[in-house]
Amino acid sequence: ETAVFQTPNYHVTQVGNEVSFNCKQTLGHDTMYWYKQDSKKLLKIMFSYNNKQLIVNETVPRRFSPQSSDKAHLNLRIKSVEPEDSAVYLCASSPWDWGGADTQYFGPGTRLLVL
Amino acid sequence: GQQVQQSPASLVLQEGENAELQCNFSTSLNSMQWFYQRPEGSLVSLFYNPSGTKQSGRLTSTTVIKERRSSLHISSSQITDSGTYLCAMEDNYQLIWGSGTKLIIKP
Repeated sequence: ETAVFQTPNYHVTQVGNEVSFNCKQTLGHDTMYWYKQDSKKLLKIMFSYNNKQLIVNETVPRRFSPQSSDKAHLNLRIKSVEPEDSAVYLCASSPWDWGGADTQYFGPGTRLLVL
Repeated sequence: GQQVQQSPASLVLQEGENAELQCNFSTSLNSMQWFYQRPEGSLVSLFYNPSGTKQSGRLTSTTVIKERRSSLHISSSQITDSGTYLCAMEDNYQLIWGSGTKLIIKP
């Protein structure tokens, strides 16, 4: 059903380690996103990429960095994870064009647990 | 900034009853979307509804821009409808999310 793929599904790591999450969409969309879902189930946008260009960068800690090789891929790297980084990270894509609006399609999420 | 208020926070119904979920937004609306979050966390897009009424099976979404609200109606609820429903509105290339409604359908 889903055309937005995320790996891994689940990751456990120690404080201070580096982790990388992968996201790929096969919908031909131009825009991709990374969200963090907090303990209250609220989704907060972290990054938004339109055709490999960063268009929105919320005030996330600098240890988070998006990486995109092409418009179908948007990875998320976290350098030196902290306990508060434990959360579900959701990747999404949309055909969103500059000034337009459309539905976002989500991947299944990556659950991160920092010990 | 833009805010989205979602209600109720939780809703418990008997199977077969209808459910009505609401989202209210503070300023002008570009678009409103409804999502269903499965128990394991993954999201399913239900409606993209900037205005008017849209229906899909037992689900109906109605957005009234002048009244700054959007609703999601689930008719003849089923146990499999249980989960969290999220609304989100577009604001400057990003989605502003409601806090969700946890729906529990009992047999």
